[in-house]
Amino acid sequence: EAGVTQSPTHLIKTRGQQATLRCSPISGHTSVYWYQQALGLGLQFLLWYDEGEERNRGNFPPRFSGRQFPNYSSELNVNALELEDSALYLCASSPKLDLDTQYFGPGTRLTVL
Amino acid sequence: QKEVEQDPGPLSVPEGAIVSLNCTYSNSAFQYFMWYRQYSRKGPELLMYTYSSGNKEDGRFTAQVDKSSKYISLFIRDSQPSDSATYLCAMSPPGGYALNFGKGTSLLVTP
Repeated sequence: EAGVTQSPTHLIKTRGQQATLRCSPISGHTSVYWYQQALGLGLQFLLWYDEGEERNRGNFPPRFSGRQFPNYSSELNVNALELEDSALYLCASSPKLDLDTQYFGPGTRLTVL
Repeated sequence: QKEVEQDPGPLSVPEGAIVSLNCTYSNSAFQYFMWYRQYSRKGPELLMYTYSSGNKEDGRFTAQVDKSSKYISLFIRDSQPSDSATYLCAMSPPGGYALNFGKGTSLLVTP
């Protein structure tokens, strides 16, 4: 069974630009979660999507947004990039009735210069 | 105060040692507890998942939850150099969606 996949592996942007990160969940999983792992801060919850809808978001500004497609894949968009947005962005997925068991992808490392 | 506290280490042990990793938490609503292993520059890998207080064993790994003390542990028996990684505890309330993570403990097992 294929795991959660994310693309790209690395992304380098400059301040003020926009970044788009992509995630494909495990087959059969309908929920997708995004987390930010910044140096020294641990994993911070960003967004949760289920059945195409945004269900909840963490304590992040509105320039962090995303969407979930009908095939349950998801996209995270970060607008007006700031230096402190540099981090590993992790996507996780879970089955619909097992929201607490999340399986993570390898992440996208975003560097903002 | 963070809801989940975890000693970042680093923790260095010789091969074959028993490793004890711990987290404390403050939110009594947390009911689901997980341990993830994360190798350098990789995503976290789910190791153990427990719901109730008590012990759960899987091979060389044992997860222990003490809800009365708001304390969880992961024990690794016969540790191997391949166990060298960062270990993250995570937890959530029932029906939770956002896992609350500790900052992770860096473990090094030396041959």
